[in-house]
Amino acid sequence: KAGVTQTPRYLIKTRGQQVTLSCSPISGHRSVSWYQQTPGQGLQFLFEYFSETQRNKGNFPGRFSGRQFSNSRSEMNVSTLELGDSALYLCASSDPARNTGELFFGEGSRLTVL
Amino acid sequence: AQSVAQPEDQVNVAEGNPLTVKCTYSVSGNPYLFWYVQYPNRGLQFLLKYITGDNLVKGSYGFEAEFNKSQTSFHLKKPSALVSDSALYFCAVRERPMNRDDKIIFGKGTRLHILP
Repeated sequence: KAGVTQTPRYLIKTRGQQVTLSCSPISGHRSVSWYQQTPGQGLQFLFEYFSETQRNKGNFPGRFSGRQFSNSRSEMNVSTLELGDSALYLCASSDPARNTGELFFGEGSRLTVL
Repeated sequence: AQSVAQPEDQVNVAEGNPLTVKCTYSVSGNPYLFWYVQYPNRGLQFLLKYITGDNLVKGSYGFEAEFNKSQTSFHLKKPSALVSDSALYFCAVRERPMNRDDKIIFGKGTRLHILP
């Protein structure tokens, strides 16, 4: 089985721009979660989607949004970028039917905001 | 609310020695517990999990972890460290049974340095 695929792997933006990151989960996994990783804050939960519905949301401003498509692929968008948004954005998929909550992570998208 | 604490930002161990990476957790019910490892510029890789049963869980790359309910701990261990074990290690917890608003919470991570 192919793993979780995130694109792009690296990107550079300037303040005020917006960015869209993409995540393709493992085949058959219907749940997709997004995390922001920074050296100071560690792994911060952004949101989780299941069957095209946002099931859970972390404490991030409204500039951070996401969605999930019918094929379980997910995108997250950050608008009006700030310097502090520079981070590694990790996507993880899981199979809720297994009821253990184990996550499978992609390699991440490293965003640098200048 | 769930929480996870990894009290050490960094752990240094000589190659060949046993290693321990500490983790304590707090949940209102019974936990699912996980350890993940992250190598530079990579995503997190699953190492092992505790769901139920034997308190000693064995995982990938020779790692194991011991669930201690009374101390609410889930320390990661390996009998003999390798230089290639140097990485960032995350402990995570999820309350069970899983509810709609449930999510996995990660600790801040512990950087493990294995010294040759």
